[in-house]
Amino acid sequence: AQRVTQPEKLLSVFKGAPVELKCNYSYSGSPELFWYVQYSRQRLQLLLRHISRESIKGFTADLNKGETSFHLKKPFAQEEDSAMYYCALHLGGSGNTPLVFGKGTRLSVIA
Amino acid sequence: DSGVTQTPKHLITATGQRVTLRCSPRSGDLSVYWYQQSLDQGLQFLIQYYNGEERAKGNILERFSAQQFPDLHSELNLSSLELGDSALYFCASSTLGAGNTIYFGEGSWLTVV
Repeated sequence: AQRVTQPEKLLSVFKGAPVELKCNYSYSGSPELFWYVQYSRQRLQLLLRHISRESIKGFTADLNKGETSFHLKKPFAQEEDSAMYYCALHLGGSGNTPLVFGKGTRLSVIA
Repeated sequence: DSGVTQTPKHLITATGQRVTLRCSPRSGDLSVYWYQQSLDQGLQFLIQYYNGEERAKGNILERFSAQQFPDLHSELNLSSLELGDSALYFCASSTLGAGNTIYFGEGSWLTVV
C-alpha cells in the first residue's frame, strides 16, 4: 500500500537557520511526489513537485529512491515560512489519480 | 487563486441534518477530488470523479455521497450529520498532462452542533 510518513508533527527553528522537513514514502513503483503548504487553515498550495526539480521560495526537495525519501530543505528559514507542510504521493504513482498525504509537519520559525 | 471554487465557505448545522457542498473545478479540469481535513485525522481522501464518473474511492462514509455533473462541477452530500463530521472539506481538480498537479479550493468549513 502507498503510504507517506512525516515523522515530525512540529518543527521549530530560529530565523536564518536551515530547515529540513522529513518525508518518507512507501511505494513499489516510480513515485510522483509533491510538497504542499497550508497557511492558517487556508487552501493547500503546491510548493514543489519532484518531477520539475524546481526551487520555490528557496525550498528544494530531492527524491532519494534508495532511502525512499523526499525531504524538503531550505538553507535559511524566514518567519513567513511558518505554516503546515504536507508531503504527498500520487496514488497509483501516476497522474490524474488522488494524492495520499502525510500527516503534515507544522513549521514554526522563531524570530 | 487556484481557480477551484467552493461554496459555502462556512456552514453550521445541527446533528442529523444533511448538507451539500459544491465545487467548481478549474476550467478544463476533468478530475475532481474531495478531501476531509480534521484535527485528528489530517487530510483524508474521500472520493474522485473523472468526467462525470466515479474514478477512485477513499475513506468515504456511507452517509456521504458525491457526484459530478455534465458541466464538471461536483457536489458532496453529507447526511445524518454527526459531531465528528465537523471538518474542513476541500475540493481539488486536475487534468491529465498538466504535470499531474492537483489544485485545491479554499475549502468549506462545516461545523456540526
